[in-house]
Amino acid sequence: AQSVTQLGSHVSVSEGALVLLRCNYSSSVPPYLFWYVQYPNQGLQLLLKYTTGATLVKGINGFEAEFKKSETSFHLTKPSAHMSDAAEYFCAVSYPLTGNQFYFGTGTSLTVIP
Amino acid sequence: EAQVTQNPRYLITVTGKKLTVTCSQNMNHEYMSWYRQDPGLGLRQIYYSMNVEVTDKGDVPEGYKVSRKEKRNFPLILESPSPNQTSLYFCASKAGNSYEQYFGPGTRLTVT
Repeated sequence: AQSVTQLGSHVSVSEGALVLLRCNYSSSVPPYLFWYVQYPNQGLQLLLKYTTGATLVKGINGFEAEFKKSETSFHLTKPSAHMSDAAEYFCAVSYPLTGNQFYFGTGTSLTVIP
Repeated sequence: EAQVTQNPRYLITVTGKKLTVTCSQNMNHEYMSWYRQDPGLGLRQIYYSMNVEVTDKGDVPEGYKVSRKEKRNFPLILESPSPNQTSLYFCASKAGNSYEQYFGPGTRLTVT
């Protein structure tokens, strides 16, 4: 079965500190990878995605993520956290042959401390 | 404004009383999907549709039905709701050749 693991259901960082949210997938076939953000009482918004090409991808709001095939990882980073980054973050995958099914991780709640 | 709308946003109902949650998108997207979000479980896909009259099961289809008679609408039907279907439901859509899904605002369903 396809699976996505997000290490750490809650992460706290100080304002201005590095944000690192972890995501690992388990499959022998490299997937398409996504990070979504969910603000309170809202739907999900796509932050960034990796399908093919450059393994370091940049998204909105200063976030970026790097696809590492050898580590089956797609960790999300941001150099300097802002208060407005406080939200729930979800990693998700889909696969080239079954591109219309999406599998989400359990989410990481990010708290930014002033 | 491009958007996915869901109605109702909040619903409290009783076990066994049939209900429908509507989803509509104005972006002419071919693909639409339903998810449920539960604490500690993330989002799980219920059903998806690649186009009109084409629907497929996701990971957790039991207890749900869908239909896609028009491109813009993708209602989620619970014929006989049970308390374990208490959840936050999201509808999403995307263009057929895109990977970016657009999500609705969610419907919070409570079944007592």
